[in-house]
Amino acid sequence: NAGVTQTPKFRVLKTGQSMTLLCAQDMNHEYMYWYRQDPGMGLRLIHYSVGEGTTAKGEVPDGYNVSRLKKQNFLLGLESAAPSQTSVYFCASSQRGKGLAGGEQFFGPGTRLTVL
Amino acid sequence: SQQGEEDPQALSIQEGENATMNCSYKTSINNLQWYRQNSGRGLVHLILIRSNEREKHSGRLRVTLDTSKKSSSLLITASRAADTASYFCLMTTDSWGKLQFGAGTQVVVTP
Repeated sequence: NAGVTQTPKFRVLKTGQSMTLLCAQDMNHEYMYWYRQDPGMGLRLIHYSVGEGTTAKGEVPDGYNVSRLKKQNFLLGLESAAPSQTSVYFCASSQRGKGLAGGEQFFGPGTRLTVL
Repeated sequence: SQQGEEDPQALSIQEGENATMNCSYKTSINNLQWYRQNSGRGLVHLILIRSNEREKHSGRLRVTLDTSKKSSSLLITASRAADTASYFCLMTTDSWGKLQFGAGTQVVVTP
């Protein structure tokens, strides 16, 4: 039982390049989330998904796209990376619950992305 | 803008002392959760308190919630060096996409 895994762990991009971050969970959770964490700030929600085939925008969705083709996977894409997207990205999952108050979230180890 | 604010931003204590940190928020919540983050790692869930609860305990952790003041506190008793980490509060509401984390309190426990 690996929990939540993220690939890659580190990545350096040049401005304008694209990439996809992969999140996988093996806990059969319905809900999945992508956050970014910047120095001195808490995590900010980028996009979330309440089930396979559904996604929705969070607080800071601009510049990112997501897909949830399989229940266990949640992909975060950057189509044209910008230096402002330099951050640490965390994926999380949780069980179904009332709204997003579903309860405990399980986090992956993070992906450290630098955009030059 | 973030819904949650935490204070203090940083806290330095010695082993055996208690550590208290606070989280304040602006709008009504469904529940409030506390997480710990060790340096370079993901967040780990500590405790969840629902809006109709006032106090909860888990081991050396005690969480209170005052909905009239829109604030919560996390108390770590008899701290250990292993408690050194950043602590975040997460506010959840019934509005989809309105998850909000506080900016965190960095706790350093020295032996």
